[in-house]
Amino acid sequence: EDQVTQSPEALRLQEGESSSLNCSYTVSGLRGLFWYRQDPGKGPEFLFTLYSAGEEKEKERLKATLTKKESFLHITAPKPEDSATYLCAVWGGGADGLTFGKGTHLIIQP
Amino acid sequence: NAGVTQTPKFQVLKTGQSMTLQCAQDMNHEYMSWYRQDPGMGLRLIHYSVGAGITDQGEVPNGYNVSRSTTEDFPLRLLSAAPSQTSVYFCASRAWGRTEETQYFGPGTRLLVL
Repeated sequence: EDQVTQSPEALRLQEGESSSLNCSYTVSGLRGLFWYRQDPGKGPEFLFTLYSAGEEKEKERLKATLTKKESFLHITAPKPEDSATYLCAVWGGGADGLTFGKGTHLIIQP
Repeated sequence: NAGVTQTPKFQVLKTGQSMTLQCAQDMNHEYMSWYRQDPGMGLRLIHYSVGAGITDQGEVPNGYNVSRSTTEDFPLRLLSAAPSQTSVYFCASRAWGRTEETQYFGPGTRLLVL
């Protein structure tokens, strides 16, 4: 059974204070690891897909990395508009969908 | 492209009532799925479909029914609503069997069962 654990559950940072969110996973045959951003009252918004260990992707202040056991979402010099819940999910290649973690609720204070 | 659309945005039901949550996508995606999201829990898969005429159960299928008559539409039916089905429901779609495997989500339907 695929499992995803995200930490911390919540994180409060000052504007400009860089940090990282963790996503630990177990899956038989990783086909993809996904990062989403979710704002209150909205659907998850796609950020990144990582396919193999060592892969990195960047978008503005966000950088996602992948190892064989975990993924990190690094946030550099965050701004208040980066406040959201960040979701991690894995896909093992089956038709039974993605397995999601519970998310990290990130608050960036001005 | 509108992407994935869902209606209604919000619905209040009484216990025992039935209703259909609508989902449509205009990206010609073969794979569509329904998730529910509850406080303190991750998104959980209810039902999914890999193409028109093909559906299957996910992690939490009890009390829900789906059908897939076209590529574009994937409605979710609540047969007899229960308070335990109070949740936020998200529809998602993605390509299937192709290189692009990113899954896109709709805006959600918030359901309250009294």
